[in-house]
Amino acid sequence: SYVLTQPPSVSVAPGQTAKITCGGNNIGSKSVHWYQQKPGQAPVLVVFDDSDRPSAIPERFSGSKSGNTATLTLSRVEAGDEADYYCQVWDRSSDPSYVFGTGTKVTVL
Amino acid sequence: QVQLVQSGAEMKKPGASVNVSCKASGYAFNTYNINWLRQAPGQRPEWMGWINPNSGDTKFSQTFQGRITVTRDTSANTAYMELTRLTSDDTAVYYCARGGIVELAVNWFDPWGHGTLVIVSS
Repeated sequence: SYVLTQPPSVSVAPGQTAKITCGGNNIGSKSVHWYQQKPGQAPVLVVFDDSDRPSAIPERFSGSKSGNTATLTLSRVEAGDEADYYCQVWDRSSDPSYVFGTGTKVTVL
Repeated sequence: QVQLVQSGAEMKKPGASVNVSCKASGYAFNTYNINWLRQAPGQRPEWMGWINPNSGDTKFSQTFQGRITVTRDTSANTAYMELTRLTSDDTAVYYCARGGIVELAVNWFDPWGHGTLVIVSS
């Protein structure tokens, strides 16, 4: 099955910028989506199709992709951004066809 | 607003089955797939399968093939997931989530239900 790799943890001071990477073979050909999950809560979609944002998500959340790596950038980080973040792709030739990354814990210092 | 409301927590013994329901509101139920995912403690989410509420068509991960059944009641805007032959490895929070009917176009999950904790223990 398809594999998506994320760093286990990222630490960032309030007001600074955090970047979370997601690597996968030929990820450039796939649409990458990102979810935020706070403890005890369901995941929430924060970026879809590499760089689009649902209407309720602040502009501080942005997505990009280059080569074999997708990146979620959290600008002007706030304490409320502390959460687990997962990338996800759909790969029709894989089973399961919906694949999640290993997850990154963002800690706000 | 779009909302998915799931049934309550369950405790099951090994070998038993569990049924989880997911009631949708705030949108046309027939126009989006309902996906089922689960998340074991400390793990990433894992996709289990989906149902097209309009046609009743289903698709499942091979991991769950033969153990999972997903149905829907369009009159109640509700989808149901049954998982059989439970083991302790099935202990997890089970989520339903709205996804696209045309996977090539919409292959993300939004929103998710609040989750249903299923504990399998003797």
